[in-house]
Amino acid sequence: KQEVTQIPAALSVPEGENLVLNCSFTDSAIYNLQWFRQDPGKGLTSLLLIQSSQREQTSGRLNASLDKSSGRSTLYIAASQPGDSATYLCAAPYNTDKLIFGTGTRLQVFP
Amino acid sequence: DTGVSQNPRHKITKRGQNVTFRCDPISEHNRLYWYRQTLGQGPEFLTYFQNEAQLEKSRLLSDRFSAERPKGSFSTLEIQRTEQGDSAMYLCASSLVVYGGDTEAFFGQGTRLTVV
Repeated sequence: KQEVTQIPAALSVPEGENLVLNCSFTDSAIYNLQWFRQDPGKGLTSLLLIQSSQREQTSGRLNASLDKSSGRSTLYIAASQPGDSATYLCAAPYNTDKLIFGTGTRLQVFP
Repeated sequence: DTGVSQNPRHKITKRGQNVTFRCDPISEHNRLYWYRQTLGQGPEFLTYFQNEAQLEKSRLLSDRFSAERPKGSFSTLEIQRTEQGDSAMYLCASSLVVYGGDTEAFFGQGTRLTVV
């Protein structure tokens, strides 16, 4: 059974800081892992998809790493901005392709 | 292509009524998923389709819930005899699955259901 845990549950930082969001999963037999952003009352926006053959994936100020052996993924946000304020969710596939989500990290970046 | 589209965005209904939600996936995506999300939690898997075939249903999907994808394009999720515990955000996602390919899931904006 796949279980996904995200730490921290909430984070409040001043603008400009570099951030680390952590995700751990129990079933390491995954072929990818996906990070999403969710604004309040909205759907999910896909940020990064890391293939199992990769160790890192980058998009702009975002960088995600994947370590299957330890069951961990990390999302780095460089030079955070108030517009980055949202909930960040990681999701690992289980069995077929259904995604198992963590409960998210709620990020607030203040000016 | 405008992405995954869900309608309605919001639905308020009285307990005991039936409701139906619609999802239009990204065109040519062969997989379509339904998830449910309650406040402060991550989305939970409900069911998914490969083309028009419903391949898996979660134990969360009681017999009051039914989903269809009749022509392998749009999908509907119906909840009969709604209960207050059904209040949640219902999210639809789609992906393109090809042999040996990675399956990035794209989500819609969700339908917020409130049962009063």
